[in-house]
Amino acid sequence: DTAVSQTPKYLVTQMGNDKSIKCEQNLGHDTMYWYKQDSKKFLKIMFSYNNKELIINETVPNRFSPKSPDKAHLNLHINSLELGDSAVYFCASQQTGQGVFSYNEQFFGPGTRLTVL
Amino acid sequence: AQSVSQHNHHVILSEAASLELGCNYSYGGTVNLFWYVQYPGQHLQLLLKYFSGDPLVKGIKGFEAEFIKSKFSFNLRKPSVQWSDTAEYFCAVNAANRDDKIIFGKGTRLHILP
Repeated sequence: DTAVSQTPKYLVTQMGNDKSIKCEQNLGHDTMYWYKQDSKKFLKIMFSYNNKELIINETVPNRFSPKSPDKAHLNLHINSLELGDSAVYFCASQQTGQGVFSYNEQFFGPGTRLTVL
Repeated sequence: AQSVSQHNHHVILSEAASLELGCNYSYGGTVNLFWYVQYPGQHLQLLLKYFSGDPLVKGIKGFEAEFIKSKFSFNLRKPSVQWSDTAEYFCAVNAANRDDKIIFGKGTRLHILP
C-alpha cells in the first residue's frame, strides 16, 4: 500500500503551459506539505496545509497555487510555467501531535520530476 | 537504485549525552549526502550536507557528520545534546553530478529528556 502517492511521476511540458501535480495520502494525516528540490539538490518548503487550511506559504511565485479539496489530498497547480520551474517536487504528510514530545513521522511521496522546455 | 537506511527508529537520551545516528546508503557512484531535521510542528530543514572535500562536515547547532566512503555511511553526531534537539532526523542521498531525486531514509525520532 502506497502511503503517499504523487501523480504524475514525470511531467514534461512547454513554457507557458498550466499544469497540476496531485498528491494523495491514505494515512489519515492532518498535515500535508509541498517541497521543491532545487538545482543544488536542497529541499525547500513551499506550502503546508493542516486540515485543509494553509499554514505555511513560503516565498513562492503566485503562479503556484496549492489546493486541498480534503485532508487526504494536496494538489499543486502551476500557471504559466517557466524554465526555472524545472525541478523535483515532493509531497509529504504527517499527523501533528499534541505537546512538545508528541510528533509523528513525516512520510514522503516519490517525487514528481517536472521538466519545462 | 539508491536507497538509504536509518537503523535507529527511535532514540531517547538525557541532556548532555552524546549522540550518534546511523545512516547507510547504497549506491555505487559518487553521492551527495544530507541530514535534515524536523522539529515538532515544523517543516523539514537542512542540518548539514556533504558534496565533496573534507569528509567531516559541520552543520548548524553543533551537529556534524562523517562520510566514510568504504562503509557507505554518513552518521550524524553531536557531543552533548540539548532538550531542544528533540526532533525527527532524516538522512538523504542523491547521485552527484546527476539530476536525480533525493532519496530519504525513514527518519529517526530523537527524544531528549530534560
